[in-house]
Amino acid sequence: DQQVKQNSPSLSVQEGRISILNCDYTNSMFDYFLWYKKYPAEGPTFLISISSIKDKNEDGRFTVFLNKSAKHLSLHIVPSQPGDSAVYFCAASGTVIKAAGNKLTFGGGTRVLVKP
Amino acid sequence: DTGVSQDPRHKITKRGQNVTFRCDPISEHNRLYWYRQTLGQGPEFLTYFQNEAQLEKSRLLSDRFSAERPKGSFSTLEIQRTEQGDSAMYLCASSLARTGVGDTQYFGPGTRLTVL
Repeated sequence: DQQVKQNSPSLSVQEGRISILNCDYTNSMFDYFLWYKKYPAEGPTFLISISSIKDKNEDGRFTVFLNKSAKHLSLHIVPSQPGDSAVYFCAASGTVIKAAGNKLTFGGGTRVLVKP
Repeated sequence: DTGVSQDPRHKITKRGQNVTFRCDPISEHNRLYWYRQTLGQGPEFLTYFQNEAQLEKSRLLSDRFSAERPKGSFSTLEIQRTEQGDSAMYLCASSLARTGVGDTQYFGPGTRLTVL
């Protein structure tokens, strides 16, 4: 069963506009969430994370929002740039809760294309 | 700043052969993870070490797979009697475990395995 889902396989956005990527999870034991960016033939690059004690975390152009009651998180990229074109993965893990553990559980990814 | 490195970057082998991959984590990181990614999917957890102890293994890790981290530094992942279904990108990640804080994992570039 997929514990982390990214329901949009792709997203196309104009340069300068906002990109919004969504992610849903089912395991209530997850309490730490991350977003990674991946270019072809490279490993995932860490972007931003959020702990379950927060509902928002911001780092430059990237903001992650967490809605625990809905088991939903989103990544906002503002403004979008052509170099942001990549596949984005959300991932979830536990911290001290053994049932979820420290391993990351990934969604299937969303391919973002930023048009100049 | 030295990130996670993996060797080799690409490996082509014939079915039935054994292969070994190496991962060198970020130097101060005490946790090391192995993941596998197939086309169109997010990475899937295989196993992880804290220092030299292997703390968790996925059910994906059949008896043909073995991983070691002998001195708590670099790690090796060996696949015996490779099968075509083993073709994938093998990713290594490392992190610094801190009490009560989420485990941010940093990934290497991956080893692309092709089994003919």
